[in-house]
Amino acid sequence: AQRVTQPEKLLSVFKGAPVELKCNYSYSGSPELFWYVQYSRQRLQLLLRHISRESIKGFTADLNKGETSFHLKKPFAQEEDSAMYYCALSPQTGANNLFFGTGTRLTVIP
Amino acid sequence: KAGVTQTPRYLIKTRGQQVTLSCSPISGHRSVSWYQQTPGQGLQFLFEYFSETQRNKGNFPGRFSGRQFSNSRSEMNVSTLELGDSALYLCASTLTAGNEQFFGPGTRLTVL
Repeated sequence: AQRVTQPEKLLSVFKGAPVELKCNYSYSGSPELFWYVQYSRQRLQLLLRHISRESIKGFTADLNKGETSFHLKKPFAQEEDSAMYYCALSPQTGANNLFFGTGTRLTVIP
Repeated sequence: KAGVTQTPRYLIKTRGQQVTLSCSPISGHRSVSWYQQTPGQGLQFLFEYFSETQRNKGNFPGRFSGRQFSNSRSEMNVSTLELGDSALYLCASTLTAGNEQFFGPGTRLTVL
């Protein structure tokens, strides 16, 4: 069975500091990994997915199959990055059934 | 382009009743997925419909069911409501399999 773990419920960093939100997963196949974000009073939305290998809003995430991790990183946090971040797994490329972690609330302190 | 809409936004029901929630996907999107969000269990996948067929199903009891219409609008039904069914129910639409999922605002269901 698949499982997504986000060990930190809350994370606070100062503006301009680097930020890393941790995500570990367990799944025997070849999953697709995502980061979703929910800003205050907004809908859940896709931030990035591992297959696109893009940097979105300065965030990057590398899939480490050996460590089964997909940590989200940004070198310099901004106040507008304050939000709830969810790591999610799809059991196979092309599937729409996502399995979410419990989320990390990031607060960027001015 | 209008986003995913869900109706109603809030519902209060009592135990034993049944409820139907509606989701209208983004125009042109053919896949609709449903999720339950609770403080204790987080976001959990319920089921996905594509072209009126259930394509994937999560680990929920048979009291939870859904359907999709020819215009891609989807409904989910929960029968014999229990207190534990109180949750935010989110739907998400996708153009095709594996594309970005666009989430609706959710329906907040409270079971008394």
